[in-house]
Amino acid sequence: AQSVTQLDSHVSVSEGTPVLLRCNYSSSYSPSLFWYVQHPNKGLQLLLKYTSAATLVKGINGFEAEFKKSETSFHLTKPSAHMSDAAEYFCVVSYTGGFKTIFGAGTRLFVKA
Amino acid sequence: DAGVTQSPTHLIKTRGQQVTLRCSPKSGHDTVSWYQQALGQGPQFIFQYYEEEERQRGNFPDRFSGHQFPNYSSELNVNALLLGDSALYLCASSSYRGGSGELFFGEGSRLTVL
Repeated sequence: AQSVTQLDSHVSVSEGTPVLLRCNYSSSYSPSLFWYVQHPNKGLQLLLKYTSAATLVKGINGFEAEFKKSETSFHLTKPSAHMSDAAEYFCVVSYTGGFKTIFGAGTRLFVKA
Repeated sequence: DAGVTQSPTHLIKTRGQQVTLRCSPKSGHDTVSWYQQALGQGPQFIFQYYEEEERQRGNFPDRFSGHQFPNYSSELNVNALLLGDSALYLCASSSYRGGSGELFFGEGSRLTVL
């Protein structure tokens, strides 16, 4: 069975410190993996995607994620948090060309001044 | 190039009424998926349309129905509204041919049921 687990429902960091949002997946297939961000009362915006190319993926706004097949993980990182990064983040796994898409439960990122 | 557009952005209905939400996909996309996002929750998959047919369906009752038109736009209909149907309804478009599964989302339609 395919599944996505975001290991933290809430993460709080201080501005200027690193961000780590954790995601593990389970898939019998070679999945495509995504991170989306959602600001309050907004739609979801794609941060980055992994589609079986380079395992270290760079996204927008300084975010990165590394695909680790042996650990079935796709953790999202950023070296230095900014106040504008405060939002909800969703890890998503997709397979069979996008016809099956599974969302994680989300991680709320708080950034303290 | 317009992205995914949804209408209306906000609406208020009463229990038992019916609602229709509309979505225009990103240019070049042929697949539309609908999600329900209750307050504080992640998006829950309702169904997906491709080639004017419902291809997949999540765990939602038959009160939720949809349609896709030849121009790839889509509608979501909800009958006999319940208080629990209050949510943000998100439309996402994607490309089936050569697609990696990347979804492009609209800003959503906020439905309040009183």
